[in-house]
Amino acid sequence: DTGVSQDPRHKITKRGQNVTFRCDPISEHNRLYWYRQTLGQGPEFLTYFQNEAQLEKSRLLSDRFSAERPKGSFSTLEIQRTEQGDSAMYLCASSSPPHRASDTEAFFGQGTRLTVV
Amino acid sequence: DQQVKQNSPSLSVQEGRISILNCDYTNSMFDYFLWYKKYPAEGPTFLISISSIKDKNEDGRFTVFLNKSAKHLSLHIVPSQPGDSAVYFCAATDTGANSKLTFGKGITLSVRP
Repeated sequence: DTGVSQDPRHKITKRGQNVTFRCDPISEHNRLYWYRQTLGQGPEFLTYFQNEAQLEKSRLLSDRFSAERPKGSFSTLEIQRTEQGDSAMYLCASSSPPHRASDTEAFFGQGTRLTVV
Repeated sequence: DQQVKQNSPSLSVQEGRISILNCDYTNSMFDYFLWYKKYPAEGPTFLISISSIKDKNEDGRFTVFLNKSAKHLSLHIVPSQPGDSAVYFCAATDTGANSKLTFGKGITLSVRP
């Protein structure tokens, strides 16, 4: 399977605990994105990596959130001191550099469903 | 500020008929538009896209129309099949930036057998 892989698929944690999610993008893709989706909403952009460089962070990404992409391969998203409002589906997507506009499609993983109790 | 709007939360059509899903956007910098399909507990799956230099793109049963002056696009599915039942998200991006996607809230399509 050469698609985007996310781990774990589901995570239940107590409020105040730290959690970390992992994303393995499609191997030849150098662009990696994290999105968050809550009930009844579309995915919302959180952050973007080009290779190992984090080039943009949304204002949605509070100080409790941190993302890394060491060596430009897999990425991790960590949430510290989780709150109930962090409960959501966290989606990772990857894409290749757009040589043409038609190369812009981002391919998504199956997501990590976080529930904070 | 919702830059991509899908104002109808749901749509129900009969199998074999046409499904028309609408989307409006406000950001003039958007130059590439995509439709994603999503089943419960899965990530979005890319369906079809269109560049702002075109007004129509067709792929099998799926056609996307873009009206730049109205900042409106639509996805036509014909004929609709029960397997098309899912949530459909309209997304837009500025390819001159980092190509991050801005999504609408989605439309739940139900195709009745």
